Amino acid sequence: NAGVTQTPKFQVLKTGQSMTLQCAQDMNHEYMSWYRQDPGMGLRLIHYSVGAGITDQGEVPNGYNVSRSTTEDFPLRLLSAAPSQTSVYFCASRIGTVRIPSPLHFGNGTRLTVT
Amino acid sequence: AQKVTQAQTEISVVEKEDVTLDCVYETRDTTYYLFWYKQPPSGELVFLIRRNSFDEQNEISGRYSWNFQKSTSSFNFTITASQVVDSAVYFCALSEAYNPRKGSQGNLIFGKGTKLSVKP
Repeated sequence: NAGVTQTPKFQVLKTGQSMTLQCAQDMNHEYMSWYRQDPGMGLRLIHYSVGAGITDQGEVPNGYNVSRSTTEDFPLRLLSAAPSQTSVYFCASRIGTVRIPSPLHFGNGTRLTVT
Repeated sequence: AQKVTQAQTEISVVEKEDVTLDCVYETRDTTYYLFWYKQPPSGELVFLIRRNSFDEQNEISGRYSWNFQKSTSSFNFTITASQVVDSAVYFCALSEAYNPRKGSQGNLIFGKGTKLSVKP
């Protein structure tokens, strides 16, 4: 099993450009999420989804869109990139509808630079 | 609101020293879960442990041990006889129980992390 796969690994954008960070998991996990990691800030939740067709905002959702058309995929869209979105982005998944939250499985991250 | 505080930004020790990473949390929930993750220099995030709020027993796994104290809202992590391979950023995280009727999806809230450097 591949687990959680993120593409691309690295990306450089110019301010105002748009792009989609891809995330796919093959564990049939209902819950998927996106975090960003910035120096000295830890990981902050951007958006999450508890199943296909259901998404919700996390702590820092502004400037990002998500959709969940299938259980496997959870892409993160930057509509108009800004330098403040320079960060490392992590996608994560876990079994969703259980009372005790199972550990998150993380992808290897996408390092995004916006110039 | 939930919050996780890791007051130690960076710690540097010499190999074979013991080191404790502090984690203090805030939550109004009576049922919650605490996690530790490790992020080595290669960048991936590795799950280490999950504890629930009803189980205050300390846990030991090899050179790793965890001390959970509800009275002080702390969940500290100790590495005994540290090794160079322990060099990493360590994150403490908090989650409430999954309860959709209360609007809780069990999202994980992370602390800012502690960077541990173990020198030979």
